[in-house]
Amino acid sequence: SQKIEQNSEALNIQEGKTATLTCNYTNYSPAYLQWYRQDPGRGPVFLLLIRENEKEKRKERLKVTFDTTLKQSLFHITASQPADSATYLCALDMMNRDDKIIFGKGTRLHILP
Amino acid sequence: KAGVTQTPRYLIKTRGQQVTLSCSPISGHRSVSWYQQTPGQGLQFLFEYFSETQRNKGNFPGRFSGRQFSNSRSEMNVSTLELGDSALYLCASMWGRPTSDTQYFGPGTRLTVL
Repeated sequence: SQKIEQNSEALNIQEGKTATLTCNYTNYSPAYLQWYRQDPGRGPVFLLLIRENEKEKRKERLKVTFDTTLKQSLFHITASQPADSATYLCALDMMNRDDKIIFGKGTRLHILP
Repeated sequence: KAGVTQTPRYLIKTRGQQVTLSCSPISGHRSVSWYQQTPGQGLQFLFEYFSETQRNKGNFPGRFSGRQFSNSRSEMNVSTLELGDSALYLCASMWGRPTSDTQYFGPGTRLTVL
């Protein structure tokens, strides 16, 4: 079955630097890959979606890449700020297979002032 | 536009009891999905409803069930509660298939089973 791996350790990044989070998956490439942000005690909030035929997507300070050969997506936050501290989840939309959305366990990001 | 709402926000039950959680999607959204979130397992898909029909189901026992009403509101039910059912239960709504779409999550219901 499809498995997703995100950095299990928390990531500490100095304010102003670029934070890079990794999402690796096994087996089949999803039709779409999504990234969400989750703050403690709240539901996830959608950030970006990238399609399997797209290499890169940007939105303000956020950038997502998708490499179906490596079976990997990278999520970048440039000019990071303490307010970016949260847990970031990647989700694989397998609508081209079994029509489910599968989430990784998330990476906790701490931006240090 | 109002977001996804879930009630209740917090719930404490004892083993063996049953519980019903409610989710009201964003107006116009026809798809509602339910997830269980625990520190060890992360977000796990329970089921998805679209136009009152269950479209997909995750790998959970039959104690977990759900339904969707004609106004797209959804409920999930867990019978014969076990300690391991303690979790944050999230629902998410979206317009629906066939294209991938943004899921809008509610704040969740924190269920504690004693």
